Amino acid sequence: NAGVTQTPKFRVLKTGQSMTLLCAQDMNHEYMYWYRQDPGMGLRLIHYSVGEGTTAKGEVPDGYNVSRLKKQNFLLGLESAAPSQTSVYFCASRTRKGQTGVETQYFGPGTRLLVL
Amino acid sequence: KNEVEQSPQNLTAQEGEFITINCSYSVGISALHWLQQHPGGGIVSLFMLSSGKKKHGRLIATINIQEKHSSLHITASHPRDSAVYICAVRSGYSGAGSYQLTFGKGTKLSVIP
Repeated sequence: NAGVTQTPKFRVLKTGQSMTLLCAQDMNHEYMYWYRQDPGMGLRLIHYSVGEGTTAKGEVPDGYNVSRLKKQNFLLGLESAAPSQTSVYFCASRTRKGQTGVETQYFGPGTRLLVL
Repeated sequence: KNEVEQSPQNLTAQEGEFITINCSYSVGISALHWLQQHPGGGIVSLFMLSSGKKKHGRLIATINIQEKHSSLHITASHPRDSAVYICAVRSGYSGAGSYQLTFGKGTKLSVIP
């Protein structure tokens, strides 16, 4: 199993450009999450999904959109990138608690985004 | 919103030392996670606990629900333990059917040979 993968690993954007970050997991997990990690701050939740076709806002959703058309994929979109969105983005997934009794989140390797 | 504080922010230890990292939070929780972020950036989950103590190899995690405090201990530390250790608390279910985690800022541990 590849676990959780993220594409791309690194990207540089100009202000106003758009892009999509792809998260894929091969563990058949129901829940998927997008976080951002900034220096001096803890991980913050952007959006999450509890299943195919469903998404919900997290702590810092402004400026981002997400889609979960397939169970294994969770896409994070930036419609008009801003320098404040320079960050490292992590995707994570987990199974439903009732199936295993465990709530471990599995993280992707991260995407480093620089917005100039 | 739950406030999660970790101490110390940075920790340097000699190989073999016993290490303690602390986490305190402001609001009652249903579970607490300890995560490890490697120097390369990857994040792995170490423990999830809601009471008592858990042990995995040289790592021990404890939680005191009444005092809103958790500790992560590393016995016989080794340079390969060098990483950022992150505490995260689960504060119950959101309206969309999943819980959310609130993360601490992390403790950077460096173990010197």
